[in-house]
Amino acid sequence: EVQVVESGGGLVKPGGSLRLSCAASGFTFSNAWMSWVRQAPGKGLEWVGRIKSKADGEITDYAAPVKGRFTVSRDDSKYTLYLQMNSLKTDDTAVYYCATHLFGQVRPYWGQGTLVTVSS
Amino acid sequence: DVVMTQSPLSLPVTLGQPASISCTSSQSLLHSDGNTYLNWFQQRPGQSPGRLIYKVSNRDSGVPERFSGSGSGTDFTLKITRVEAEDVGVYYCMQGTHWPQSFGQGTKLEIK
Repeated sequence: EVQVVESGGGLVKPGGSLRLSCAASGFTFSNAWMSWVRQAPGKGLEWVGRIKSKADGEITDYAAPVKGRFTVSRDDSKYTLYLQMNSLKTDDTAVYYCATHLFGQVRPYWGQGTLVTVSS
Repeated sequence: DVVMTQSPLSLPVTLGQPASISCTSSQSLLHSDGNTYLNWFQQRPGQSPGRLIYKVSNRDSGVPERFSGSGSGTDFTLKITRVEAEDVGVYYCMQGTHWPQSFGQGTKLEIK
């Protein structure tokens, strides 16, 4: 059974840092392009960033609001995706989802999300 | 950046009746590789999103046949032939042709 499970969310002060993890199982993680998507409370979905597979160069891309502050990485040996978030702002408050390739042929798998709250 | 605009934002529908959601992009979504990277996602209340349609009109595995997608260039449509109670939720289009990828604002479907 395919599973992706996010963790690491919590309360952090503006300007602080947090690292989210996404543990994957049930599929060949090393072949998967992975994305982070967030959803502010009561709002719509916002794409955050993506990392390609190692075979495709582990290329990363980011949305403008997070570029330079957030870093997506992966550890294929641990079947884990990461989102390092620095210089956090109150606008970064959201549920953060990880998902498998959003535009692949196989229906993407999403985690249940982890809540990040940025507040003083 | 490409802006995705959905309409309507709220869609009250009677059970068993059809429903249609429009999504318009600010630039053509036809990629140089010949594909159009336009997806539709459904998010039921309290749940994570799930993809319904990829590349405009391809229904994902397990998605009921009452869901269909169509369109080209900048104009796309998601149609539900006969709305069922389980279809309540928010529907999002998403483009992946241009960087950064982007979602529409979402359309909330509710039962009248």
